[in-house]
Amino acid sequence: DVKVTQSSRYLVKRTGEKVFLECVQDMDHENMFWYRQDPGLGLRLIYFSYDVKMKEKGDIPEGYSVSREKKERFSLILESASTNQTSMYLCASSLIGSSTYGYTFGSGTRLTVV
Amino acid sequence: AQSVTQLDSQVPVFEEAPVELRCNYSSSVSVYLFWYVQYPNQGLQLLLKYLSGSTLVKSINGFEAEFNKSQTSFHLRKPSVHISDTAEYFCAVSKTQGAQKLVFGQGTRLTINP
Repeated sequence: DVKVTQSSRYLVKRTGEKVFLECVQDMDHENMFWYRQDPGLGLRLIYFSYDVKMKEKGDIPEGYSVSREKKERFSLILESASTNQTSMYLCASSLIGSSTYGYTFGSGTRLTVV
Repeated sequence: AQSVTQLDSQVPVFEEAPVELRCNYSSSVSVYLFWYVQYPNQGLQLLLKYLSGSTLVKSINGFEAEFNKSQTSFHLRKPSVHISDTAEYFCAVSKTQGAQKLVFGQGTRLTINP
């Protein structure tokens, strides 16, 4: 069964910490995405990557960076965590040119910054 | 740029009643349209999609959606809901050409009462 795996289901971090959220897919997908999900705001795109070492900013990249050193792994980095980054983070992947198939999502990481 | 508006943040209905979840989009270019479902404590799953052809698309669990180009809408309907349909539903669009990022609406929480 194909899947997108997010390393942590729940995380609690302190303000100012550097936080790493990891995402791994086993489908050989070229595209990978990071979204954050907040009540009443839906999903908002933070960053996406369409190839190894390639990345593009989404709609809300401020305070975040990403790393994609291998095709199967896409990391989201909070350089200095703040309380307004408390949220659910969802990783997704897709094939290039595969809007026809949609995305495959991970189960999410609920991050709380205290 | 594309945008999606889901007109209802919450929709409570009784079991076996019909339901409609509304979705309107805005785009200056051709788009694909999607409905995703998120069950409690899970990631998002693709429910159905419109790519081209017949404007009425159906899912395997009884949902259907109709693409209306003149009204820029893609409303989701089910004639008789079950308790198991309790979830959050997201409408999304992507361009048919170029970077195929998904843009999501705010989500509609469907609650089924017995």
